[in-house]
Amino acid sequence: DIQMTQSPSSLSASVGDRVTITCRASQSISSYLNWYQQKPGKAPKLLIYAASSLQSGVPSRFSGSGSGTDFTLTISSLQPEDFATYYCQQSYSTLGFGPGTKVDIK
Amino acid sequence: QVQLQESGPGLVKPSETLSLTCTVSGGSISSYYWSWIRQPPGKGLEWIGYIYYSGSTNYNPSLKSRVTISVDTSKNQFSLKLSSVTAADTAVYYCARRITMVRGVNYYYYYYMDVWGKGTTVTVSS
Repeated sequence: DIQMTQSPSSLSASVGDRVTITCRASQSISSYLNWYQQKPGKAPKLLIYAASSLQSGVPSRFSGSGSGTDFTLTISSLQPEDFATYYCQQSYSTLGFGPGTKVDIK
Repeated sequence: QVQLQESGPGLVKPSETLSLTCTVSGGSISSYYWSWIRQPPGKGLEWIGYIYYSGSTNYNPSLKSRVTISVDTSKNQFSLKLSSVTAADTAVYYCARRITMVRGVNYYYYYYMDVWGKGTTVTVSS
């Protein structure tokens, strides 16, 4: 059973900041890693799939990198609409999610 | 543009069976996999399982003994049944479309969920 962890669990940032969220798998998952954004009371939204591919319609300030066990989601310049919780998800075996990282306003 | 809508009872008694339906509109249910995911209040996301339009399924091992997912292509719907529910099954339940992407000469298969329903809240209580 593959366990996913995320760090930090929460962070405070300002508009315009560069934000990096880390996701780690308990074993190698190659690049079978997706990122989702969830705002309060809303369904998750796909941002990145296959570790680094940007979903259609998602702003280019979002980017993903990594392979194996360590992955990052980067927001190059945080915008007001980016304050949300971010989840990683592995698709190497079943479809397990990380615990989430909440990004709020500093 | 494909849209998904969950429907079903918002209140289920302990030990009974939770039943939800997801209706697919704006596109065909055929040729895709369809998933159920849930989120307990204030907690993270948990994948429940998925079904192919042909009927083949895969379930989260932690829920497998209690879960049944079925599909009705004539109605463009798929459904979730979760038996013997307890308060721990109280959650927002989402349905989603699962995409399969194949890359490379070695045929690496990538899976992700690109379209989600708005979610429906199910409370387990007597």
